[in-house]
Amino acid sequence: RKEVEQDPGPFNVPEGATVAFNCTYSNSASQSFFWYRQDCRKEPKLLMSVYSSGNEDGRFTAQLNRASQYISLLIRDSKLSDSATYLCVVNPAAYNNAGNMLTFGGGTRLMVKP
Amino acid sequence: DTGVSQDPRHKITKRGQNVTFRCDPISEHNRLYWYRQTLGQGPEFLTYFQNEAQLEKSRLLSDRFSAERPKGSFSTLEIQRTEQGDSAMYLCASSLYRKGSYNEQFFGPGTRLTVL
Repeated sequence: RKEVEQDPGPFNVPEGATVAFNCTYSNSASQSFFWYRQDCRKEPKLLMSVYSSGNEDGRFTAQLNRASQYISLLIRDSKLSDSATYLCVVNPAAYNNAGNMLTFGGGTRLMVKP
Repeated sequence: DTGVSQDPRHKITKRGQNVTFRCDPISEHNRLYWYRQTLGQGPEFLTYFQNEAQLEKSRLLSDRFSAERPKGSFSTLEIQRTEQGDSAMYLCASSLYRKGSYNEQFFGPGTRLTVL
């Protein structure tokens, strides 16, 4: 079983739609959680951190459920430019001491169509 | 450009040859990481350095792989006796580690290796 599992997609959605991605992780000792975005043939870039209380950044909302070891990302009002692969990432270190290895999921591909 | 840079961007080699990749981190960053990414998968951690010290190595890093960061600045990743299974994108990342604060890893554009 992979340490971080994601539905690979692709998710094909029309512009303006709301789309949600889920991710599960196996290491209960994981302390910090992130969503990265990766465009085709580009490097991953941090999209947002995920906090226990849930957090929002514009059209993006991330949620963490430690009991179920489950992370989600919600994108509202999808734009064409949101088309990318979204990588779920966990880290055994706490946010205030993070910096060692990141464990990535396989990514979920999103395609937003006009 | 003050981001992470990697060289070369693409490398095609024949099975059995040795290859070396270079990574230049963001200048003030003291931590440097190597990851490998194959098609359709997320990046997998290989190793990381704090300054010149190699602090952690994944079991993915076989004895054919070696990484160095001799002066605590740039790093090299060498693969000896390449195999077709080594074909992947090799990503470098760097971060400024300060205890007590979150330190984001910034990724370079990667070196795409093809072993024929």
